[in-house]
Amino acid sequence: GAVVSQHPSWVICKSGTSVKIECRSLDFQATTMFWYRQFPKQSLMLMATSNEGSKATYEQGVEKDKFLINHASLTLSTLTVTSAHPEDSSFYICSARDLEQGFAYEQYFGPGTRLTVT
Amino acid sequence: GQNIDQPTEMTATEGAIVQINCTYQTSGFNGLFWYQQHAGEAPTFLSYNVLDGLEEKGRFSSFLSRSKGYSYLLLKELQMKDSASYLCAAMDSNYQLIWGAGTKLIIKP
Repeated sequence: GAVVSQHPSWVICKSGTSVKIECRSLDFQATTMFWYRQFPKQSLMLMATSNEGSKATYEQGVEKDKFLINHASLTLSTLTVTSAHPEDSSFYICSARDLEQGFAYEQYFGPGTRLTVT
Repeated sequence: GQNIDQPTEMTATEGAIVQINCTYQTSGFNGLFWYQQHAGEAPTFLSYNVLDGLEEKGRFSSFLSRSKGYSYLLLKELQMKDSASYLCAAMDSNYQLIWGAGTKLIIKP
């Protein structure tokens, strides 16, 4: 149980275009999903917290107009990188909390999406 | 401010034991997580401690001292597949995870 999928697993796009990444909880309902970015040899950096049916909460320094987050249902959140630039190239990982798991607020991670902007 | 410290890199021998330390400072505390992350992959959950003491789970054990703001992950009978980064993360009063930079563990034959 507690499987999170991401699509696509990797994407190459041209500078100036937009890319959408999907995060789905496959066998549980997630009221909260998290979007992280990880640069090589660095730790996870939380970008935003996505709550179903409400606006996402962005971390300081993350441009909300550039990284659009939509959490339309209890099983799906999307991150759209708009007007992508080479410096946006990174590993984007989503995670989700199980609505029914109260004990530890464990986050279940998706497999990640590697974005390369050329 | 909130901060997590853990060593950048450690090396150990196959079959041996290694202890990865983590110290934390957070606004409130709701537990300490350890995750394993292989290169190019997402993190996978290893352990969660919220009370003082040692939690054992097979070859892996995790310890917490809340008064010292300290945790460690103990890996026994090391295998080559244990080569990975180990991430320490503390949950603050808002149930937000504060992540360490990760410890890269290199296992040598």
